[in-house]
Amino acid sequence: EVQLVQSGAEVKKPGESLRISCQGSGYNFSSYWINWVRQMPGKGLEWMGRIDPSDSYTNYRPSFEGHVTISVDKSISTAYLQWSNLKASDTAMYFCARQGTSWALAYYGMDVWGQGTTVTVSS
Amino acid sequence: EIVLTQSPGTLSLSPGERATLSCRASQSVSSSYLAWYQQKPGQAPRLLIYGAFSRATGISDRFSGSGSGTDFSLTISRLEPEDFAVYYCQQYGSSPPWTFGQGTKVEVK
Repeated sequence: EVQLVQSGAEVKKPGESLRISCQGSGYNFSSYWINWVRQMPGKGLEWMGRIDPSDSYTNYRPSFEGHVTISVDKSISTAYLQWSNLKASDTAMYFCARQGTSWALAYYGMDVWGQGTTVTVSS
Repeated sequence: EIVLTQSPGTLSLSPGERATLSCRASQSVSSSYLAWYQQKPGQAPRLLIYGAFSRATGISDRFSGSGSGTDFSLTISRLEPEDFAVYYCQQYGSSPPWTFGQGTKVEVK
């Protein structure tokens, strides 16, 4: 079964650091981008960025660049989303989703999603 | 960045009725790389339609997508109880950033 499994809910204080994970299984992990999508409480979906596991190439939405870091360890089929200085405004649900790296596979959109990781930042 | 505007914000319908959701892009979406997702409370989004009109694996034929360029739509032919949810369009054209519409909530009338 193709799936993405995310790490569990986190509660942090402002200024702290955090890394959440997304592990893929049941498919060739290196053939699919891992995207990260934010959903703030009661709001819509916002694409944050993505990583190509084959070479760790990344793209970021400009508003997130410099505030989060996307990384990958392809030896364990796991992508990460990391903050070094959390803010209260980072409180949200974060989803990972795969999308093919080739044009042919990319056409299928974000076809598999993780279950989401809730991040709460509060003093 | 391509801005996607969905309408209406909320659609109030009864089971068995037809739902038509609209998604308009601020510029042409490359090669019709437009997807639709369904999200229910507390769940991850689920891919319904990719490439503007192709149904994802396992998706009922009650769901259909159409459109090209800047105007796209999702139609649910006969609403079932499990179809009441929020629907998002998303473009994944030539280069990032990818963008989502703000969502359309389909609620029970």
